[in-house]
Amino acid sequence: EAQVTQNPRYLITVTGKKLTVTCSQNMNHEYMSWYRQDPGLGLRQIYYSMNVEVTDKGDVPEGYKVSRKEKRNFPLILESPSPNQTSLYFCASSFRQGTGYTFGSGTRLTVV
Amino acid sequence: QKEVEQNSGPLSVPEGAIASLNCTYSDRGSQSFFWYRQYSGKSPELIMSIYSNGDKEDGRFTAQLNKASQYVSLLIRDSQPSDSATYLCAVNIGNAGNMLTFGGGTRLMVKP
Repeated sequence: EAQVTQNPRYLITVTGKKLTVTCSQNMNHEYMSWYRQDPGLGLRQIYYSMNVEVTDKGDVPEGYKVSRKEKRNFPLILESPSPNQTSLYFCASSFRQGTGYTFGSGTRLTVV
Repeated sequence: QKEVEQNSGPLSVPEGAIASLNCTYSDRGSQSFFWYRQYSGKSPELIMSIYSNGDKEDGRFTAQLNKASQYVSLLIRDSQPSDSATYLCAVNIGNAGNMLTFGGGTRLMVKP
């Protein structure tokens, strides 16, 4: 089944403890992206990647890192999480420029 | 000013009626337009994409694009209670990163 898989689905962590949210797609898509969704603010792009080793900042990149060492994987790294990063995170992938994204199931992160 | 605007709703329609959802965008260079459906607690699901002026129909859904007026709309015919969800408009301005900018979403309620 074609899909974007993120893990974990739920995560509660403490301020400052490094964490990684994994994302993998099995559709051979070129583009991958991370979004966060917050009430009243909607979906905002954190980082995106156009291909292996090619990444760039989205609208809200502060406090996040990404890497794209393989085409299928695009992990999101929070080096020192803070409570304002409590949010619902989505990974998404897209076949090519101009096409829509397929979203993963989401990761609900709580930083206390 | 937000780049993609939607009325947050809720838009309430009776079962069997036509639901009309609207979206305006600010960037005249926008090239690709998408409608996503998001059920509460779930990930966005791509339901329509449209790239040129006019109408595009897919089953009970019709997307309409008017680039001169900078608006996109989604019509849902024969609305069903299962259509109750938040509908997100997304716009791709055609930059190299395939970035999507989302509107805040319109909550649709279809009453039996």
